[in-house]
Amino acid sequence: SQTIHQWPATLVQPVGSPLSLECTVEGTSNPNLYWYRQAAGRGLQLLFYSVGIGQISSEVPQNLSASRPQDRQFILSSKKLLLSDSGFYLCAWSPGQGGQPQHFGDGTRLSIL
Amino acid sequence: TQLLEQSPQFLSIQEGENLTVYCNSSSVFSSLQWYRQEPGEGPVLLVTVVTGGEVKKLKRLTFQFGDARKDSSLHITAAQPGDTGLYLCAGANTGFQKLVFGTGTRLLVSP
Repeated sequence: SQTIHQWPATLVQPVGSPLSLECTVEGTSNPNLYWYRQAAGRGLQLLFYSVGIGQISSEVPQNLSASRPQDRQFILSSKKLLLSDSGFYLCAWSPGQGGQPQHFGDGTRLSIL
Repeated sequence: TQLLEQSPQFLSIQEGENLTVYCNSSSVFSSLQWYRQEPGEGPVLLVTVVTGGEVKKLKRLTFQFGDARKDSSLHITAAQPGDTGLYLCAGANTGFQKLVFGTGTRLLVSP
């Protein structure tokens, strides 16, 4: 069966520090991968998605970036965090063909001080 | 841009009550999914509806896809505290890699 792992679960970072959140998927090949941000109790904002290694689509202009160095690895990064980057970050995967349900990790709670 | 509006945004009820959550759009989707998210966790897929007019039941939860495939509803019978969470609908289009997520409905069921 397929599993998705996302870490760390919580992170407290000072303003201006770098960020690296990692997500890995097991049990499937060539998945679509997604990064979302969620404000408290609200819906999901798609940040990036990837349909293959090295292929990244950015949905929202911001100081975050994403990379996919391996087929089942998706990384969310920032060189300098802003206070507005605080939030709940979710990674998800879906089968490669379009229109499929997504399966989410447990999320990372990021607090910027 | 496709949008999905959910209503109500927030619902607080007593255990044993019935409720309905709506998910509406002016756009047609090839399928629609419902997710439930508990605090501090990722959303979990509940169901996918594909055919216009389709009704699916998951224990006390009944999901319906509108005839025109532009809207959907989730009905919960005899709600329990374990139903508490954020309910999200998401529209999908064949061949498109992204889902359109709804605005979310927060449900609180008190004992």
